[in-house]
Amino acid sequence: SQTIHQWPATLVQPVGSPLSLECTVEGTSNPNLYWYRQAAGRGLQLLFYSVGIGQISSEVPQNLSASRPQDRQFILSSKKLLLSDSGFYLCAWSVPGKKLFFGSGTQLSVL
Amino acid sequence: EDQVTQSPEALRLQEGESSSLNCSYTVSGLRGLFWYRQDPGKGPEFLFTLYSAGEEKEKERLKATLTKKESFLHITAPKPEDSATYLCAVRAPGTSYGKLTFGQGTILTVHP
Repeated sequence: SQTIHQWPATLVQPVGSPLSLECTVEGTSNPNLYWYRQAAGRGLQLLFYSVGIGQISSEVPQNLSASRPQDRQFILSSKKLLLSDSGFYLCAWSVPGKKLFFGSGTQLSVL
Repeated sequence: EDQVTQSPEALRLQEGESSSLNCSYTVSGLRGLFWYRQDPGKGPEFLFTLYSAGEEKEKERLKATLTKKESFLHITAPKPEDSATYLCAVRAPGTSYGKLTFGQGTILTVHP
């Protein structure tokens, strides 16, 4: 069966520090991968998606970037965090014709 | 631009008190309306996908229905374990299967 791993679960970072969140998927090949953000009191917003290794599409302009170095690995990064980057970050995956599955999320607090 | 609006923002029920959550959407050519359940601090868990007006899906105490403008999530005789945030999302034509537009969610609290 397919599983998605996302870590860390909680992260507290100072403003201006770098960020790296990692997500891996098991049990499937060539999935579409997604990073969503859920700000307090707001709905989920799609940040990036990838349909293959090295292929990244950005949905909103922001301080973050994404990379997909391996088929089932998706990384969310920032060189310098802003206060506005705080939120609940969710990695997700899907394959054509199937539903979207979410990871357990990372709660990021930028102080 | 695709839009999804959920109401109410929060709903408090007594155990056994049935009710409905609403999801109104604006999208050209719906390619799926999705309901998810999210527990605090967790990722959303898939509940239902609806594709066409008139379609209904059921799972335990939950029943989702779809019209051309909105979807309802009916909760029959809820239990405290049904307490969660319920999210509605839509997929537009020509988009990747996981590119969903989400509503703000309805926070459901069921008191024993």
